[in-house]
Amino acid sequence: IAGITQAPTSQILAAGRRMTLRCTQDMRHNAMYWYRQDLGLGLRLIHYSNTAGTTGKGEVPDGYSVSRANTDDFPLTLASAVPSQTSVYFCASSRTEGEKLFFGSGTQLSVL
Amino acid sequence: QQQVKQSPQSLIVQKGGISIINCAYENTAFDYFPWYQQFPGKGPALLIAIRPDVSEKKEGRFTISFNKSAKQFSLHIMDSQPGDSATYFCAASKGSNTGKLIFGQGTTLQVKP
Repeated sequence: IAGITQAPTSQILAAGRRMTLRCTQDMRHNAMYWYRQDLGLGLRLIHYSNTAGTTGKGEVPDGYSVSRANTDDFPLTLASAVPSQTSVYFCASSRTEGEKLFFGSGTQLSVL
Repeated sequence: QQQVKQSPQSLIVQKGGISIINCAYENTAFDYFPWYQQFPGKGPALLIAIRPDVSEKKEGRFTISFNKSAKQFSLHIMDSQPGDSATYFCAASKGSNTGKLIFGQGTTLQVKP
């Protein structure tokens, strides 16, 4: 089934640890995004990539890094996790940067 | 500072009634206004979207009303059904990258049978 796969589904992480959230899409979409969702704040853009090999900062990029080595994969890394990074993380993609956005099912991350 | 403000936070509607969710934005450069629907445990899914060159867009039971001068837009769900029970988010973006969205805080809708 075509779509976006995020892994893990959920994770409990000790503060200070490094963590990579994985996102893979099989729709050959050029643009990919990472959002975090927090109650009362909606979704906020962390990083994005308009095409393989390029990345950009979103609204809340501090403490996160991304890479886009190929079209399909867009991992999000927390170099040293802090409790304020406890959130639900959604990966999304679109065929091009001006088209409909498709979201994955999310990763629930708890940093203790 | 919340650039897109959404209200109400929660809404209870009887089956067959009209659900109305409102959003207000600050940045006049925004030129794309989508609404997303999210069910528990799932990612948001695009419901309907509007550009500021029209004042209303309708798709089935869902209508966006847009007031450019007031910097407000709203979602109307006609003949609301229990299956519409979900969280709804308004959003806005500017420029060519419509995926770089600023979201509202979300509205949890419950439609009672």
